[in-house]
Amino acid sequence: AQTVTQSQPEMSVQEAETVTLSCTYDTSENNYYLFWYKQPPSRQMILVIRQEAYKQQNATENRFSVNFQKAAKSFSLKISDSQLGDTAMYFCALNSGGYQKVTFGTGTKLQVIP
Amino acid sequence: SQTIHQWPATLVQPVGSPLSLECTVEGTSNPNLYWYRQAAGRGLQLLFYSVGIGQISSEVPQNLSASRPQDRQFILSSKKLLLSDSGFYLCAWSPTLNYGYTFGSGTRLTVV
Repeated sequence: AQTVTQSQPEMSVQEAETVTLSCTYDTSENNYYLFWYKQPPSRQMILVIRQEAYKQQNATENRFSVNFQKAAKSFSLKISDSQLGDTAMYFCALNSGGYQKVTFGTGTKLQVIP
Repeated sequence: SQTIHQWPATLVQPVGSPLSLECTVEGTSNPNLYWYRQAAGRGLQLLFYSVGIGQISSEVPQNLSASRPQDRQFILSSKKLLLSDSGFYLCAWSPTLNYGYTFGSGTRLTVV
């Protein structure tokens, strides 16, 4: 089985500041992939960043980066220089070997305050 | 480039009426296709997935069904809707799950 836990239902950050969203997961597989998805109020879900478990280097995409701690099974998302357009629900997700599906966390609602 | 289309965007249906939501993918072949439901303020629940034509896997037993009549077409159906079927339905596709999903724009279903 694979599980994903997001313990922060809601967070807020001032515009231009940095915020970190937490995610922990569990899987018995050694080969797996982790994702962060963003769902703005318009509801279109988009992929923000992905991390391959066998890569030790943390993934980055512009202002978005992750802190992947494999031993701790932790996968946090850092958003730098927060912008109003970052206001959204953020979902952490996991796909581990052999599963034909992705398991999502319950989401963190992020509000960027002007 | 690949695109995914999902329709309708919104739907209000009476209890007991049938349902048909359609999702199509362009620009790729043999995609993995998925239907998720998102209840208000909650996470995503996988309903069905398909790795090929005619191959449907169900995750949650309920009054919904799915079909894949063509390689890039995925349909979510119900013969009789329940109030509990209300929610936001998302279709997604993936070439392989290593790359994650690309989601459609979603259908907001309200059963009244």
